[in-house]
Amino acid sequence: AQSVAQPEDQVNVAEGNPLTVKCTYSVSGNPYLFWYVQYPNRGLQFLLKYITGDNLVKGSYGFEAEFNKSQTSFHLKKPSALVSDSALYFCAVGPGGFKTIFGAGTRLFVKA
Amino acid sequence: DGGITQSPKYLFRKEGQNVTLSCEQNLNHDAMYWYRQDPGQGLRLIYYSQIVNDFQKGDIAEGYSVSREKKESFPLTVTSAQKNPTAFYLCASSIDSGNTIYFGEGSWLTVV
Repeated sequence: AQSVAQPEDQVNVAEGNPLTVKCTYSVSGNPYLFWYVQYPNRGLQFLLKYITGDNLVKGSYGFEAEFNKSQTSFHLKKPSALVSDSALYFCAVGPGGFKTIFGAGTRLFVKA
Repeated sequence: DGGITQSPKYLFRKEGQNVTLSCEQNLNHDAMYWYRQDPGQGLRLIYYSQIVNDFQKGDIAEGYSVSREKKESFPLTVTSAQKNPTAFYLCASSIDSGNTIYFGEGSWLTVV
């Protein structure tokens, strides 16, 4: 069975500082991993995905995620946070479609 | 522009009424989905459709119904049997049932 966990309900970071939003997963076989962002009153926007290949995946809006097989993690990162990055972030594990399992979400607050 | 259009953005339902949420996509995607999101919560799958004229129950299908008569359209009806329908409803689609999911902007349903 697949599962995904986002261990932090909320992450606070100052503008200009690096940010990390954590995600761990459990799958049998090779994982498909996704990150989405949700702004207030909006749908989820796809940020990036990992299927295979380079462990560092680059996505939209300057975000990237690092796949770590030994730690079963897929943390979302950005070198310099913006106030406009404040949103709800969801990690998800594949293989895609209706079998995609979403984490509970992590709320990111970036303070000016 | 290609995308997923949900309407209306805000809908109010009286007790005992059925209401229908519209979802249209022009991405030529085969698979479509409906999710429910309660405030501060993650996503729960209501129904999904992998192809026209076929759909399957998700994790919380009771009190909901769908149809998939056209590839572009996947309306969701919230029936009077759904006792707690107040939530944010998200329609989504993917190229096929094993691929990245993309979301619409969501619809708020409130019981009055």
